[in-house]
Amino acid sequence: EVHLLESGGGLVQPGGSLRLSCAASGFRFSTYAMTWVRQAPGKGLEWVSAIGEDGTTTNYANSVKGRFTISRDNSKNTLYLEMNSLRAEDTAVYYCGRDWSCDYWGQGTLVTVSS
Amino acid sequence: QSVVTQPPSASGTPGQRVTISCSGSSSNIGIKTVNWYRQLPGTAPKLLIYSNNQRPSGVPDRFSGSKSGTSASLAISGLQSEDEADYYCAVWDDSLNGGVFGGGTKLTVL
Repeated sequence: EVHLLESGGGLVQPGGSLRLSCAASGFRFSTYAMTWVRQAPGKGLEWVSAIGEDGTTTNYANSVKGRFTISRDNSKNTLYLEMNSLRAEDTAVYYCGRDWSCDYWGQGTLVTVSS
Repeated sequence: QSVVTQPPSASGTPGQRVTISCSGSSSNIGIKTVNWYRQLPGTAPKLLIYSNNQRPSGVPDRFSGSKSGTSASLAISGLQSEDEADYYCAVWDDSLNGGVFGGGTKLTVL
């Protein structure tokens, strides 16, 4: 059974940094692209970033480009999202999804940017 | 304002058929396949339709998807009370070189 578990969320001050992790199990992690999607409180879904199977291809939404970095460790079956220069508008639940199509989702981790 | 637009709300009565539209452009829906997701309150989204009209295993055939030109649609037949949820379309955009979600449609079963 496919399982994705996000962690690393929490309260951070504006300008601060945070690293999210997504632990994957139940499938061959190294053969799938992975995606991060976020949802601000009471708002819709926003695509954030995606990474190819071997980590060489990465894509970012304009809203996070230059501040966020997606990466993966296929030996640990784990996806990461390094978030720097955080702003209030980055406050959201962050989900990881399997593949470009997000055929499976984790339960999400809440990031709150506030002073 | 998303580059892909959906109506903010839709409604229907039990047993009815409803459709939700997703309008894009030549840089996204016009050249890429569309996925649809359903999000029940307080839960993570779930893939409902992929590649315009394909259902993942376990998704009932009451749900169907279609695409024509720069627009796509999700149809739900035999509407049930448990279909009350938020529905999102998503597609890759070549101009943005990234994915985009529609703004979401809140479906109410009257």
